[in-house]
Amino acid sequence: EADIYQTPRYLVIGTGKKITLECSQTMGHDKMYWYQQDPGMELHLIHYSYGVNSTEKGDLSSESTVSRIRTEHFPLTLESARPSHTSQYLCASGPRTGRMETQYFGPGTRLLVL
Amino acid sequence: QKEVEQDPGPLSVPEGAIVSLNCTYSNSAFQYFMWYRQYSRKGPELLMYTYSSGNKEDGRFTAQVDKSSKYISLFIRDSQPSDSATYLCAIDGDSSYKLIFGSGTRLLVRP
Repeated sequence: EADIYQTPRYLVIGTGKKITLECSQTMGHDKMYWYQQDPGMELHLIHYSYGVNSTEKGDLSSESTVSRIRTEHFPLTLESARPSHTSQYLCASGPRTGRMETQYFGPGTRLLVL
Repeated sequence: QKEVEQDPGPLSVPEGAIVSLNCTYSNSAFQYFMWYRQYSRKGPELLMYTYSSGNKEDGRFTAQVDKSSKYISLFIRDSQPSDSATYLCAIDGDSSYKLIFGSGTRLLVRP
């Protein structure tokens, strides 16, 4: 089982609040990712990072921001939560080396914005 | 056209059945193919991967790639209720970061 952790697992919050979703991995992976997934729907890549001080936007436009100050930590922040942000957020990590792209996922954070 | 197409299901089978899950893809240059399993309210976990064409077997699971048809399959023998999950195919898009995921097929194995 992959050593990647997400907190909180569940969050209910009011509109307009600032929230930070935490993601940490203990595998020393250079690459980290954030995906958004609505129930029963496909994964959408919203942010990724190749390493410390590297962040990029993914395929799906998102109002969230990320930072990568330490290899093991990749938090995602919403400055002002809205009901449209209600979803599941999945963090993943993978090694830079190797011929094949491999990603290991955390358990996810289920966010409900009222 | 999406780069990876996957039938969303749901697929409902009795316990012990052989299950076939499939994806098609568009780019013949793709080389690495993966299957992830996602239980309800959990993150996906890597189940199997194959390189190029051919079969790979792991216990009750067999992954198969047919590059001539651009078709990948996951077979589950002697399916169990614990196999009930969503199965996502994923392809290494040969860029430095990206996995291309299918939309997932929901499988229900009835006791």
